[in-house]
This record gives sequence, structure tokens and C-alpha cells, in this order.
Amino acid sequence: GAVVSQHPSWVICKSGTSVKIECRSLDFQATTMFWYRQFPKQSLMLMATSNEGSKATYEQGVEKDKFLINHASLTLSTLTVTSAHPEDSSFYICSARGRWPRDHEQYFGPGTRLTVT
Amino acid sequence: AQRVTQPEKLLSVFKGAPVELKCNYSYSGSPELFWYVQYSRQRLQLLLRHISRESIKGFTADLNKGETSFHLKKPFAQEEDSAMYYCALSGRVEGGSYIPTFGRGTSLIVHP
Repeated sequence: GAVVSQHPSWVICKSGTSVKIECRSLDFQATTMFWYRQFPKQSLMLMATSNEGSKATYEQGVEKDKFLINHASLTLSTLTVTSAHPEDSSFYICSARGRWPRDHEQYFGPGTRLTVT
Repeated sequence: AQRVTQPEKLLSVFKGAPVELKCNYSYSGSPELFWYVQYSRQRLQLLLRHISRESIKGFTADLNKGETSFHLKKPFAQEEDSAMYYCALSGRVEGGSYIPTFGRGTSLIVHP
């Protein structure tokens, strides 16, 4: 159990366009979802935390107007990269966390490779 | 503030050798600590958490509050253990929610 999916798995877009990435918890209710960015051979950088039905909390240095996060239901969160630029090219990973007693464990999606040309 | 330190970026050992991946943390309360593993071309997955006190795939990790460490150990490394290992802490932040903090990761390479 505890499967998290992401869609798309990879996307190529032109500079200036927006792209939406979906993160779904398939078999559990995710009260909290996290969005990370991972650079090659580096650690995960937490971008934001989203709780269902409330605004996302962004980490310092992450532009909330550029990385729009919506967590409209207990099984779906979306990350929209607006006006994408080549420097936004990265691997974006979401994770979901359930209710107690599994409210500390995270279940990760497979990631989305974004390439901005 | 909570912080997780993995001092080794890369650990290279031969098959059958013991392995210890170091993790130190900084947190004022009682932390929940985890080890996650990412095999090549696969998603991150939970390896073990400290409160379960399990041995998964031969790996164990003991929380040492005195040394604020949560090192991951395996007595005999296997080639299939080659992966990226992340130590993570889940700590309560202002507002009451639990926020995860990851270490930078240690790449374990097990040579035949």
C-alpha cells in the first residue's frame, strides 16, 4: 500500500510557458504533501509543504508566484511552474504523508523530469 | 532549527565488508528519524525508522540521543546495496506540523 503517482514522468516545454505536475496518493488519504527539487547527484531540496484545503507553505528562497501549489483534495496536489525558464529544468519529486500513526513517514512519487528549452 | 548531517558524500566498499553510513542530527525535541534509500532509476523509499527497531535488508540503525546520531549499519555489504541513502528527521515546527529534513545523502557503492 501507500502508492504515490506523479504525472507526467517527464515533460519538455518552451521557455515562457507553464507546466503542471500532478501528484496523487492512490490508496490512502494524504493530509500533507511535499514538493521537492532534486539536482543531479544531490539531495532533495524541500520547496513547499501543502496541507489539504489550505495554502502551501514555501521554503525560504522559493518563489510562490512561480511555483504554484494546489492541494484541493486528500489525494491530489499539483505543482505549476509558471513562465518556465531553462534554470527551472530539474527533477521534481512529490511525497505524501498520511494520518496518524503514519503521519511521519513519507511516500514518494517517481518524480517528474522537467526540461525547459 | 532542525538539521541532518551526512558527512560522507560517497562510501565505497567491497562485497562482504561492513558498512556504516553516518548521520548526525540537530533537534531540540524528540525526533523521529528515518533512513530512505534510492536505487538507481527508482523512487525514494523508506528503508527503516528508528521507532520500529527493525532490521531491513540486513540494515539496522540505532538512535543515540547522547551523540545525536542515527548511523546506518550492515555487517556484510552486498552489491545490490549500492544506492543513495538519505537520513531524514521529522520534527515538529512552529504551528504544530511535522516537517521533514533530509541529509544531503551518501552514495554507497559496493564493489564485487
